[in-house]
Amino acid sequence: SYVLTQPPSVSVAPGKTARITCGGNNIGSKSVHGVHWYQQKPGQAPVLVVYDDSDRPSGIPERFSGSNSGNTATLTISRVEAGDEADYYCQVWDSISENPWVFGGGTKLTVL
Amino acid sequence: EVQLLESGGGLVQPGGSLRLSCAASGFTFSSYAMNWVRQAPGKGLEWVSGISGSGGSTYHADSVKGRFTISRDNSKNTLYLQMNSLTDEDTAVYYCAKGLAAGGTGRGGEYWGQGTLVTVSS
Repeated sequence: SYVLTQPPSVSVAPGKTARITCGGNNIGSKSVHGVHWYQQKPGQAPVLVVYDDSDRPSGIPERFSGSNSGNTATLTISRVEAGDEADYYCQVWDSISENPWVFGGGTKLTVL
Repeated sequence: EVQLLESGGGLVQPGGSLRLSCAASGFTFSSYAMNWVRQAPGKGLEWVSGISGSGGSTYHADSVKGRFTISRDNSKNTLYLQMNSLTDEDTAVYYCAKGLAAGGTGRGGEYWGQGTLVTVSS
């Protein structure tokens, strides 16, 4: 089955840029129909912050952006704020798999 | 405003059964796939089951295949998850999630409910 690999933790100072990676075999290829990113704060449900590699749902700040190429997808958070501290999960839809929603293990973003 | 409200969680003994419900509002329910995703205490997200907008196609993770059944009632805007033969490994918060599209499992979760806790313990 398809595997997504995320770093367990990323730390960033307020106002700086955070980059969270999501590695997978040929994740940037057409056979994987886009990467989605979720933000989850403690005790809360996940919130979609980027879908289909780089699109933002309504209400999500422009500071959140995504990219996907080769074997790595990246969530970039610009001008990081204290309120961005959360767990972030990447997810792909693997249409040929018996388990079509594949999640990465999650990355804890700490704002210093 | 999209709202997803899960219910039906609770404490159940190993080998027992439970039925979760997810009441949806704020969108055309039958036009979107729906899914259940769970999160064990202190762990990451795990997809459990998905159903197409029409209800004609269902999908289950290998870990629950043969034990869990997803269904939906589009006339009641409600999603269900029937869970049988529960084990302690099924202990988790269960979230329902609205898919991004109608077909299959909807590719990803556009909106999520607040979750309902299922605890399997004797």
